[in-house]
Amino acid sequence: DAGVTQSPTHLIKTRGQHVTLRCSPISGHKSVSWYQQVLGQGPQFIFQYYEKEERGRGNFPDRFSARQFPNYSSELNVNALLLGDSALYLCASTPAGGPETQYFGPGTRLLVL
Amino acid sequence: AQSVTQLDSQVPVFEEAPVELRCNYSSSVSVYLFWYVQYPNQGLQLLLKYLSGSTLVKGINGFEAEFNKSQTSFHLRKPSVHISDTAEYFCAVIPVGGTSYGKLTFGQGTILTVHP
Repeated sequence: DAGVTQSPTHLIKTRGQHVTLRCSPISGHKSVSWYQQVLGQGPQFIFQYYEKEERGRGNFPDRFSARQFPNYSSELNVNALLLGDSALYLCASTPAGGPETQYFGPGTRLLVL
Repeated sequence: AQSVTQLDSQVPVFEEAPVELRCNYSSSVSVYLFWYVQYPNQGLQLLLKYLSGSTLVKGINGFEAEFNKSQTSFHLRKPSVHISDTAEYFCAVIPVGGTSYGKLTFGQGTILTVHP
């Protein structure tokens, strides 16, 4: 079975632009979480979605938003990009969104110039 | 809220030597504990996890970790490391109760470098 997939793998944007990152969970998993990993730090929780509903939100500004589709795939959107948004964005999936093992995708590396 | 502290940012070690990567956590509720490994330019791979039961947990690639509730620690060990173990290692916790659902809280990471 395929693992968690993310697209694109790399992305370069300029300040003020908007970006959309995509994630497909493991087949049968209904929950997706998003994390931001700035260089040299551990991942920070952004959002969790389960059955298309937002279940949790980390300490990120409203420029960050996400949604989950009926097929359980997810998009992370970031508006008005800042230099500090440059990071590796990781997506993780779990079967039911509880305190379970999270399986991570390879990430999307975003560079904001 | 939860917090995780990895006590060493970098650990250099020679091949075939033993290694211990230290992790302490703080939480007002019960937690499950995880160790993930991240190879350069890749995502996170689960090494091992503690949910309940025996406090000594064995994972992939010969790694093991011991949960110590009184010291709120979850240190990762390997008796003999290989060059291929060079990577960054993250300790993480997730609350069992409360409303944080699936929010993983990570430590800052420990870079393990294995020298020949």
